[in-house]
Amino acid sequence: SQQGEEDPQALSIQEGENATMNCSYKTSINNLQWYRQNSGRGLVHLILIRSNEREKHSGRLRVTLDTSKKSSSLLITASRAADTASYFCATSNGQNFVFGPGTRLSVLP
Amino acid sequence: DGGITQSPKYLFRKEGQNVTLSCEQNLNHDAMYWYRQDPGQGLRLIYYSQIVNDFQKGDIAEGYSVSREKKESFPLTVTSAQKNPTAFYLCASSIGTGSNQPQHFGDGTRLSIL
Repeated sequence: SQQGEEDPQALSIQEGENATMNCSYKTSINNLQWYRQNSGRGLVHLILIRSNEREKHSGRLRVTLDTSKKSSSLLITASRAADTASYFCATSNGQNFVFGPGTRLSVLP
Repeated sequence: DGGITQSPKYLFRKEGQNVTLSCEQNLNHDAMYWYRQDPGQGLRLIYYSQIVNDFQKGDIAEGYSVSREKKESFPLTVTSAQKNPTAFYLCASSIGTGSNQPQHFGDGTRLSIL
């Protein structure tokens, strides 16, 4: 399976700290996407990184991709209480995506 | 505003009953998807459709059926053959198929057994 696996499963930090989540996968990919899900809601697309890219930024988000290690990381800088959510990586080597089980992030005020 | 609307938000199913979950999008997207999410788990693909009047099975299609008669609509029927239907169901769409397209999600339908 090419399923991504996020690590850690759960993360609690104080407001203002940085949060880092990791995603590992098993087979080669075309790209990797990160999504966010607030409790009881749908997923929201955050960022896509292609297999030939190593790093990408979007606001307070920084995503890295290391295809040699088959891993990606999502860094949220200067976290806010509103960042509390589950974060999923989604990998694809063709048409559809496979989502990992997610990291539950809690940002404490 | 453009988006994806799922209804109802909560749905209860009796034993032996078929129920249909609605998904409508006004984003003019060609591709639509249905996922199932169980507590603490990632999303699993049930069915997807690349174009009107065409759809393909995903990883867990057994016990489910879909139709795609209109571009805007992709309803999911949970049949009585699905023995463990309790889950959170998410519908998504994208401009086209292919892994370079981000998916846009509705806010889900939570299905429970009575």
